[in-house]
Amino acid sequence: GQQVMQIPQYQHVQEGEDFTTYCNSSTTLSNIQWYKQRPGGHPVFLIQLVKSGEVKKQKRLTFQFGEAKKNSSLHITATQTTDVGTYFCAGSPMDSSYKLIFGSGTRLLVRP
Amino acid sequence: GAGVSQSPSNKVTEKGKDVELRCDPISGHTALYWYRQSLGQGLEFLIYFQGNSAPDKSGLPSDRFSAERTGGSVSTLTIQRTQQEDSAVYLCASSSGHTDTQYFGPGTRLTVL
Repeated sequence: GQQVMQIPQYQHVQEGEDFTTYCNSSTTLSNIQWYKQRPGGHPVFLIQLVKSGEVKKQKRLTFQFGEAKKNSSLHITATQTTDVGTYFCAGSPMDSSYKLIFGSGTRLLVRP
Repeated sequence: GAGVSQSPSNKVTEKGKDVELRCDPISGHTALYWYRQSLGQGLEFLIYFQGNSAPDKSGLPSDRFSAERTGGSVSTLTIQRTQQEDSAVYLCASSSGHTDTQYFGPGTRLTVL
């Protein structure tokens, strides 16, 4: 079946260091979304990427969608303790665009 | 309403009992989704509603799980004869269109003893 793999599973960084999480789909996606879930909270939408090769920035966060629309990445520059949480990518398959297949998430811990 | 609401927030039940979980989507959102999240895991898609119909029930783990949506608004997820492996957080999300941002509710934490 369709799968979205996400690595790494965990990342523990010193405050100020950069962080990247990667997402790979087994099939071509119509779009990819990124969500953040704080400990004890629910997923909160960050961004959606639709176009091949698209790059979007939100302050210290940079999101990329691969040329083949099968992979994506989220990069955080100079992490802060407020960045702590689990980051999920979620892809919509081309043949069922309503569905979001979530990656397993990358849990980010930031040492102050 | 201002956001997606779910009830109850926590439910503890005994193995073999039936439970009903409720989701109130954002007013006007036509698409509604149910997911399951086990401890430390990602989100597992269960079912999708467009209006009152469920074109995709493929994620429901067994025939003990069912869901309905009435009036294009409130949805209920029912688990019959609960098992311990059903313990998880059940999240509901809604969106204005099927390709749009999904807004998640706070979830219902289900514990089956």
